[in-house]
Amino acid sequence: SQKIEQNSEALNIQEGKTATLTCNYTNYSPAYLQWYRQDPGRGPVFLLLIRENEKEKRKERLKVTFDTTLKQSLFHITASQPADSATYLCALGWGGGADGLTFGKGTHLIIQP
Amino acid sequence: DTAVSQTPKYLVTQMGNDKSIKCEQNLGHDTMYWYKQDSKKFLKIMFSYNNKELIINETVPNRFSPKSPDKAHLNLHINSLELGDSAVYFCASSRPGTSYEQYFGPGTRLTVT
Repeated sequence: SQKIEQNSEALNIQEGKTATLTCNYTNYSPAYLQWYRQDPGRGPVFLLLIRENEKEKRKERLKVTFDTTLKQSLFHITASQPADSATYLCALGWGGGADGLTFGKGTHLIIQP
Repeated sequence: DTAVSQTPKYLVTQMGNDKSIKCEQNLGHDTMYWYKQDSKKFLKIMFSYNNKELIINETVPNRFSPKSPDKAHLNLHINSLELGDSAVYFCASSRPGTSYEQYFGPGTRLTVT
């Protein structure tokens, strides 16, 4: 069966450390993978996209890796801050048409001061 | 200057009623989506729609129907509401062919009593 799994429902990290979130999938062959941030009572906000032929993407303190052999993406937040506390969702996508995204359940990240 | 807006934000109604949720985007995007986020925070695609095609997730009951009066709007109609329809519904939009990132609305929390 097809599955997307994100590591632990909750992750506690001390401020200043690097937070690493994992997204694993089975029986999918996505063309790209995206990461979103969702705060309570709000809609998801796009952070980064990485395509199947890319290994790594960076944006400020964020870094995403994509290993299509392992079927895994890692999402890193360096120099984490309490304001980074939120739920982070990974999502798989296909093609360029009107396809929706298939989301994982998310990891609730808590950055402790 | 909201990018994707939804109304209402909260909707409380009784079983058996028919209700609609409205969505508008001012981003000039071609494609719009409806997602359902259940009590376990799992975000699932319900529909995606552009001016060429409607793609329906096969698990969505036919009591749910999207209606698009124009490119900027995609409303969600729900007939004969059931208790299990209680969830947060998110509208999103994107412009396929570029970065495929999706922009989400703030969500509509539907409670069926």
